[in-house]
Amino acid sequence: DAGVIQSPRHEVTEMGQEVTLRCKPISGHNSLFWYRQTMMRGLELLIYFNNNVPIDDSGMPEDRFSAKMPNASFSTLKIQPSEPRDSAVYFCASSLGEKLFFGSGTQLSVL
Amino acid sequence: GESVGLHLPTLSVQEGDNSIINCAYSNSASDYFIWYKQESGKGPQFIIDIRSNMDKRQGQRVTVLLNKTVKHLSLQIAATQPGDSAVYFCAENMPLTTDSWGKFQFGAGTQVVVTP
Repeated sequence: DAGVIQSPRHEVTEMGQEVTLRCKPISGHNSLFWYRQTMMRGLELLIYFNNNVPIDDSGMPEDRFSAKMPNASFSTLKIQPSEPRDSAVYFCASSLGEKLFFGSGTQLSVL
Repeated sequence: GESVGLHLPTLSVQEGDNSIINCAYSNSASDYFIWYKQESGKGPQFIIDIRSNMDKRQGQRVTVLLNKTVKHLSLQIAATQPGDSAVYFCAENMPLTTDSWGKFQFGAGTQVVVTP
């Protein structure tokens, strides 16, 4: 079992650029979560999907953030345009009802 | 003054001693709880879980205690080892329905430092 796979592991970009983070959940899992972790706010839930349908996106900070899940094996989190305050570690996690399994995260730095 | 970031509570433990990490959860309707361990540069890893119809559950070297009256959760680690040094998070979950699961809300975390 490869676990939750996220790419890229590290992303450095300039303010104003579009950033796309990718996630492949564990095969068979029906829920997918995007979290953001910063020193200031800890681990925050941004959005989660159940059976590829967005259930709650109330954690998405603003319209610059969008997430999609076109199929059960792939999800993206896009930031357009990116700002320095978006710098954080972004985690994707998946689950089948109970335990949440996290990927290794994407370290995003917006200069 | 200006806030420079979260100051995680830190628990310093001597190798071989037992550790107790505490967590207060927020929602009395939450019925499922998980403890996660996060090592530097990695994602949170599942340690142990407990449902609200239980007050204690044991794993390998770890025990989780749940007190629903005061909405308190604790994680006990027996014979703490250097590899236990990490940030530990509690998470609570209130499911939407029996077929789907709601949001997991994470606590701020506790930094555990194991000293030789």
